[in-house]
Amino acid sequence: GESVGLHLPTLSVQEGDNSIINCAYSNSASDYFIWYKQESGKGPQFIIDIRSNMDKRQGQRVTVLLNKTVKHLSLQIAATQPGDSAVYFCAENYGGSQGNLIFGKGTKLSVKP
Amino acid sequence: GAVVSQHPSWVICKSGTSVKIECRSLDFQATTMFWYRQFPKQSLMLMATSNEGSKATYEQGVEKDKFLINHASLTLSTLTVTSAHPEDSSFYICSAPLRLYNEQFFGPGTRLTVL
Repeated sequence: GESVGLHLPTLSVQEGDNSIINCAYSNSASDYFIWYKQESGKGPQFIIDIRSNMDKRQGQRVTVLLNKTVKHLSLQIAATQPGDSAVYFCAENYGGSQGNLIFGKGTKLSVKP
Repeated sequence: GAVVSQHPSWVICKSGTSVKIECRSLDFQATTMFWYRQFPKQSLMLMATSNEGSKATYEQGVEKDKFLINHASLTLSTLTVTSAHPEDSSFYICSAPLRLYNEQFFGPGTRLTVL
């Protein structure tokens, strides 16, 4: 079946360093991608999104890169802070509607002070 | 941003009982809401799509008679886990998209523990 996977299940970085979290998606028809942050015991929090007609989008300290050729998505966090420690999920939407999000397995980011 | 709330935040019940979880969009109307289930250290799995004024759409493998969904208003959807069993213990999360956008706003989740 279709799935969204991640290359690294865990990532440990030093405070102040940049973090890169990767995601591979399998459905070439997906046209919308989102990164979510989930802290323990809480619901996912939107970080940044990107549509398939773009290959890069920047937010505050975060950048999402989309490579449709290899069906790869990445989240870059600049100057990683302890508050960035969480599980990060990528999600894809191929349904064309406001739903049908397929979530990846998640990467746990740990920031060492 | 839009706010979605859930109630209760956690619940413990005995096996065989039913539990109702509420999902509310606090500052916007949502004709569609989504219910997800998340087991420990796993990803979110979509269970069903809740549609205001009509029947919910369930994902393959999700028992609609066990997970009853009611979306009676534009700001409230409820998920009732009927005859709960220990294997139903999980983290249940709802979400709602803002109109015209694909972004979904998630509730804080409800931790269900069935003894």
